Amino acid sequence: AQTVTQSQPEMSVQEAETVTLSCTYDTSENNYYLFWYKQPPSRQMILVIRQEAYKQQNATENRFSVNFQKAAKSFSLKISDSQLGDTAMYFCAFMKPDNYGQNFVFGPGTRLSVLP
Amino acid sequence: ETGVTQTPRHLVMGMTNKKSLKCEQHLGHNAMYWYKQSAKKPLELMFVYNFKEQTENNSVPSRFSPECPNSSHLFLHLHTLQPEDSALYLCASSQLTSGEIYNEQFFGPGTRLTVL
Repeated sequence: AQTVTQSQPEMSVQEAETVTLSCTYDTSENNYYLFWYKQPPSRQMILVIRQEAYKQQNATENRFSVNFQKAAKSFSLKISDSQLGDTAMYFCAFMKPDNYGQNFVFGPGTRLSVLP
Repeated sequence: ETGVTQTPRHLVMGMTNKKSLKCEQHLGHNAMYWYKQSAKKPLELMFVYNFKEQTENNSVPSRFSPECPNSSHLFLHLHTLQPEDSALYLCASSQLTSGEIYNEQFFGPGTRLTVL
């Protein structure tokens, strides 16, 4: 079974600075997907960024980028130029798709606070 | 409405009550999911419906009973719950395609359930 670990329960960062959230996972699969989801306070969970395991190039979405280290089974999220709206719970997730459903395994989350 | 909606947003019930949570997706997806989000625990996948057929039941107690009458609607029927069942219940949907092709899961806002 796959597991996802986020070792930082809470983090804070000053507005406009850069922060990195850690995620490690355990799997014997070779083909899979990794995600970072964001859950703002009292709002819906939304996808921030995703990475296909077969791609060596790290995914980037505007101010969000990942450092994917497949051999180390590490998948960290870097947020540049942090904004107050980035305050949220961030969940790292692993997914091995199949024909029956996309079974996500989520980490416990990191609560990020962006300070003015 | 667009996306994934859930009603009610908040629910307080006694241990002997029977209630139902409703989820509706307006995205034309063919798969729907129920997750449980408890404080300080990872998101737990409860049920997966693929083309209205239940394909996953992750050892969920029988006091939770899902129903998927069509590809747009998903219900979670609750009866004789326990206080430890208090949590945020999230619904999600996605479009499954053949083979190991990924499509993003879209989440609803959740129902905050409190069992007294």
